[in-house]
Amino acid sequence: DQQVKQNSPSLSVQEGRISILNCDYTNSMFDYFLWYKKYPAEGPTFLISISSIKDKNEDGRFTVFLNKSAKHLSLHIVPSQPGDSAVYFCAASEGGSEKLVFGKGTKLTVNP
Amino acid sequence: KAGVTQTPRYLIKTRGQQVTLSCSPISGHRSVSWYQQTPGQGLQFLFEYFSETQRNKGNFPGRFSGRQFSNSRSEMNVSTLELGDSALYLCASSPETGGVQPQHFGDGTRLSIL
Repeated sequence: DQQVKQNSPSLSVQEGRISILNCDYTNSMFDYFLWYKKYPAEGPTFLISISSIKDKNEDGRFTVFLNKSAKHLSLHIVPSQPGDSAVYFCAASEGGSEKLVFGKGTKLTVNP
Repeated sequence: KAGVTQTPRYLIKTRGQQVTLSCSPISGHRSVSWYQQTPGQGLQFLFEYFSETQRNKGNFPGRFSGRQFSNSRSEMNVSTLELGDSALYLCASSPETGGVQPQHFGDGTRLSIL
């Protein structure tokens, strides 16, 4: 049973436009959420995180939104750049645990 | 600051053999976690070590084991290898307990079972 779901396997956007990646979760005990970016042949790179006490966190071009009632989070990238093309993973943990539960990823392609 | 280092990067083994993978965390990081990535199952948590003790364990058989040394370096061992163990094995480290610190990943060890 997948506790973290990324329902879109792929997303294609034009350079300069907004990329919105979505993630849903089922475990209401999750209280910390992270987004990672992964290039081929490399490990995941941490992008941004959010605690369940917040509903928004920004870092430069990246913003994560959390809707606890809907058990949904999203990552916005504005403006999108070709170098953002990668697989994006959503992850969650509960109660201070180091155990991360990952979604299966969304492959983002930013076209020049 | 050096990142998480995993060795070797690539490994080929045959069924029934055993394998040991190594992970050196970022300097000062005390928690080390291991994950398995496969095309079908995605990234799955194996176990986490802190202060040489296993604190969390995922749903993997006992053939998968690990340990952590006093310098926080960690190894994972897989015995009696099966074809389904072919995967990318990723190690991640974080500074301390609490889960509010993001984990930082190495580039992984690609294990292929023939």
